[in-house]
Amino acid sequence: SQQGEEDPQALSIQEGENATMNCSYKTSINNLQWYRQNSGRGLVHLILIRSNEREKHSGRLRVTLDTSKKSSSLLITASRAADTASYFCATGTASKLTFGTGTRLQVTL
Amino acid sequence: DADVTQTPRNRITKTGKRIMLECSQTKGHDRMYWYRQDPGLGLRLIYYSFDVKDINKGEISDGYSVSRQAQAKFSLSLESAIPNQTALYFCATSDPTPGTAQNEQFFGPGTRLTVL
Repeated sequence: SQQGEEDPQALSIQEGENATMNCSYKTSINNLQWYRQNSGRGLVHLILIRSNEREKHSGRLRVTLDTSKKSSSLLITASRAADTASYFCATGTASKLTFGTGTRLQVTL
Repeated sequence: DADVTQTPRNRITKTGKRIMLECSQTKGHDRMYWYRQDPGLGLRLIYYSFDVKDINKGEISDGYSVSRQAQAKFSLSLESAIPNQTALYFCATSDPTPGTAQNEQFFGPGTRLTVL
């Protein structure tokens, strides 16, 4: 079973707009990660947020974590066509990760 | 050169055939993982290994076996392939920060396997 569930499953926006995707998880976590996957390719790590952090930034990415609600959000600001991809959250232990089902983001010109 | 490579990149095989997918890494990581990805289901862990003498079953290990030939090589075998093993397979590596659970993983490009 999946630990994380992303919402929405699919998102279509225009270039320049912001994209927000959400992840809910079921059990207590040490950290939560976000990955990007371009079509048919391997996942690429974007950002990690620890359980004692509430917000983290990396370039145009902003991640929030609410452990009381067991949820996280990924905001991509000023989106570009190159941001078109699937985005996955993953909850981690030192041993392994459990991935959500992903949000497919389409950024159109 | 890519840090994590997978061969083959695409494979079509028939039901009942034995097939091996190979993964090599130059990152020097001890931990390696095999996942499969199916549409709408995200990634599911098949097997993982923390060193050449350590092999662990993941969420969906039935019908699969693995071999950790060296630190850099981790192979996934399907002893008798069946159509519902048609999927995208990924190898990944990690090197967790000591004393933490920060387990960023590095993925290969994937192998697209079709079982007819």
